[in-house]
Amino acid sequence: DGGITQSPKYLFRKEGQNVTLSCEQNLNHDAMYWYRQDPGQGLRLIYYSQIVNDFQKGDIAEGYSVSREKKESFPLTVTSAQKNPTAFYLCASSIVGSAYEQYFGPGTRLTVT
Amino acid sequence: AQKITQTQPGMFVQEKEAVTLDCTYDTSDQSYGLFWYKQPSSGEMIFLIYQGSYDEQNATEGRYSLNFQKARKSANLVISASQLGDSAMYFCAMRDIGNFNKFYFGSGTKLNVKP
Repeated sequence: DGGITQSPKYLFRKEGQNVTLSCEQNLNHDAMYWYRQDPGQGLRLIYYSQIVNDFQKGDIAEGYSVSREKKESFPLTVTSAQKNPTAFYLCASSIVGSAYEQYFGPGTRLTVT
Repeated sequence: AQKITQTQPGMFVQEKEAVTLDCTYDTSDQSYGLFWYKQPSSGEMIFLIYQGSYDEQNATEGRYSLNFQKARKSANLVISASQLGDSAMYFCAMRDIGNFNKFYFGSGTKLNVKP
């Protein structure tokens, strides 16, 4: 079955540590996205990529970094510079073009204490 | 400027009744897509329905329909015959070609279906 895999589902880290969230898709989509969602809130775009080896900052990129070395993979690193990293993180992918919806992964709940 | 506005933070509907969730959007592009997603408490995002800016007919998918009024820049979701399983957050989203294929999401509407 085609889809998007995010691992792990729950992640716990100590403050001051960097942590990398995994996102893999086998849908052959060119575009991939990372969103952050806080409780009861909407989705905020962190980073997105339309093609391998290229990505753009979203609305809240500070304290985050990404890489896109392979079409199917778009890992997100939450660095120690992110002041409030505890949140729900969603990865998505899509065919490029306005008519195409995003497919989402199941999300990773990150808790930093 | 806010690209997608959902003005109803929360709504209640009686089971088996219809409900309309409001969404207005802002874009200067001629070509864009409008989407609705459902997010149950589990957190997954479920795609419901799509409307293209050039589509003349309102989109329908089962119990979901999209009331598209282009001149008013509104794309309201109508759920007919509500079911208890429809209780969830609902997000309206827009994608325009003019800005690197970004998606813009509204703040969401929490729908509660009462038995």
